[in-house]
Amino acid sequence: TQLLEQSPQFLSIQEGENLTVYCNSSSVFSSLQWYRQEPGEGPVLLVTVVTGGEVKKLKRLTFQFGDARKDSSLHITAAQPGDTGLYLCAGVSPKGKLIFGQGTELSVKP
Amino acid sequence: DAGVIQSPRHEVTEMGQEVTLRCKPISGHNSLFWYRQTMMRGLELLIYFNNNVPIDDSGMPEDRFSAKMPNASFSTLKIQPSEPRDSAVYFCASSLIAEAFFGQGTRLTVV
Repeated sequence: TQLLEQSPQFLSIQEGENLTVYCNSSSVFSSLQWYRQEPGEGPVLLVTVVTGGEVKKLKRLTFQFGDARKDSSLHITAAQPGDTGLYLCAGVSPKGKLIFGQGTELSVKP
Repeated sequence: DAGVIQSPRHEVTEMGQEVTLRCKPISGHNSLFWYRQTMMRGLELLIYFNNNVPIDDSGMPEDRFSAKMPNASFSTLKIQPSEPRDSAVYFCASSLIAEAFFGQGTRLTVV
């Protein structure tokens, strides 16, 4: 069974601080995705990383895929209250199966 | 496109009743996923279809759960009989290549 473990599960920080969320697995994935979910809505894709060692940036968000394609991290620089939400990593298997981690609930206080 | 459409948005039912959740994927997408989300277990994959064919249903909790996709534009998830522990938000998502687009979910409460 492919499992994705995210840490931390909960994170409460002040506006302007930096943070990193981790996503780890014992399985290799074809690609790894990061989603953000707001209350009452479904998750929305932020980024997909495909190549081992790949780094992608989306404004203040930096995503990295591990060399072995088993783990990933999301780093947010100078967090804003608008970054508050549930961040989910998801692994894509070669057959197209999309498995999610437990999620990281981020709260950024002004 | 209106996105993935799920109905109903909210469902409250009594234990033992049959519940049917519906999903209309985005036109042209060839994969469809059903997920269940709870605080305790997060977002669990129940079943996914590719070109209307069930590929992996290993996440379906038990025989009370069944899913169908009779055509490319419609899928159902049925729970019969429903139990209080089935209370959760159920999401349907569709994709073409890699990005999954989610519906707004159905919040199911079984009392």
